[in-house]
Amino acid sequence: SQTIHQWPATLVQPVGSPLSLECTVEGTSNPNLYWYRQAAGRGLQLLFYSVGIGQISSEVPQNLSASRPQDRQFILSSKKLLLSDSGFYLCAWVLGETQYFGPGTRLLVL
Amino acid sequence: GNSVTQMEGPVTLSEEAFLTINCTYTATGYPSLFWYVQYPGEGLQLLLKATKADDKGSNKGFEATYRKETTSFHLEKGSVQVSDSAVYFCALSDQTWGQFYFGTGTSLTVIP
Repeated sequence: SQTIHQWPATLVQPVGSPLSLECTVEGTSNPNLYWYRQAAGRGLQLLFYSVGIGQISSEVPQNLSASRPQDRQFILSSKKLLLSDSGFYLCAWVLGETQYFGPGTRLLVL
Repeated sequence: GNSVTQMEGPVTLSEEAFLTINCTYTATGYPSLFWYVQYPGEGLQLLLKATKADDKGSNKGFEATYRKETTSFHLEKGSVQVSDSAVYFCALSDQTWGQFYFGTGTSLTVIP
């Protein structure tokens, strides 16, 4: 069966520090992958999506970037975190017409 | 374009009450429709889905019917439990290129 992993589960980082969040999917190949951010008490904001290795589309211009170095790995990065980057980051993939989500990473920028 | 509008929360109900969370959509094609549930501190879980008009999705006592004539996909449950307390998201899938559109979420609290 297919599963999706995210790590770390929780992260506290100072303003201006770098960021790397990882998402890995098991049990499938060439999935469409997505990064979302959810601010406290808010809905989902699509940040990036990828249809294959090295193929990244950005939905919202900001200080975040994404990369897909391997078929089932999707990485969200930042060179310098802002306070406004705090939130709950969710990775997702698609099977058929349905999107499935990982457990999320809670990021607090202080 | 595509979009989803769902009722504002928060919603507070007593245990065993009837639940309705309204969801309407705008779509250019023939989307699939979904309800996701998010429990505190967790990711989103698929609750139910419907892929064509008049389909009814159901799971764990929750139901929603894909109504093309009213562009709606309202979530219902006849008798809520405390364990149903969560945030519920309505969503649609644009099957043209795999884009998903989410509502803003409705927070439900069920009190004993």
